[in-house]
Amino acid sequence: RKEVEQDPGPFNVPEGATVAFNCTYSNSASQSFFWYRQDCRKEPKLLMSVYSSGNEDGRFTAQLNRASQYISLLIRDSKLSDSATYLCVVSFSGNTPLVFGKGTRLSVIA
Amino acid sequence: ETGVTQSPTHLIKTRGQQVTLRCSSQSGHNTVSWYQQALGQGPQFIFQYYREEENGRGNFPPRFSGLQFPNYSSELNVNALELDDSALYLCASSLVRLTGTGSGYTFGSGTRLTVV
Repeated sequence: RKEVEQDPGPFNVPEGATVAFNCTYSNSASQSFFWYRQDCRKEPKLLMSVYSSGNEDGRFTAQLNRASQYISLLIRDSKLSDSATYLCVVSFSGNTPLVFGKGTRLSVIA
Repeated sequence: ETGVTQSPTHLIKTRGQQVTLRCSSQSGHNTVSWYQQALGQGPQFIFQYYREEENGRGNFPPRFSGLQFPNYSSELNVNALELDDSALYLCASSLVRLTGTGSGYTFGSGTRLTVV
């Protein structure tokens, strides 16, 4: 079983749609959780950290369910500029190596 | 504040050759991690350097080696290149404090290695 599993997509959605990505992780000792965004042929960039209480940043909402070892990302009112690959990332602590999922590809269509 | 810079940006090598990739960490950061990202995959952890010593290694063979220098910059060396080594190699720097807390990672834009 892979450490971090994501649906690879692609998700093709119209502008303005709401889209949700899910991710599961296998190591119950994981302490830090993130969503990264990666544009084609570029480096990953931190989109947001994920906290147990859930957190929101503008149109983006992240949720963590430790009991189910499940992380989600919700994007509301999708923009063309949201088209990218979204990587689910976990680590044991803030300084230990990041473990990446394969990523979920999103295409927002006009 | 300068970010993480990697060189070269692109490289083509022949199977069996050796390659050295370079990374300058972000100002104020003392730890460097290297990741390999094959096409269609997420980045995979290769190893991490802290205080010039390897401080954690992923599932990569010994022909992948590295160095960290006193200025916290780093090199990744790969010997006896194989076709499957073709990938984007990402360097990420971070600050690890004596308390054990960290700053989070900043990624460089990567070196795209093609082995033919």
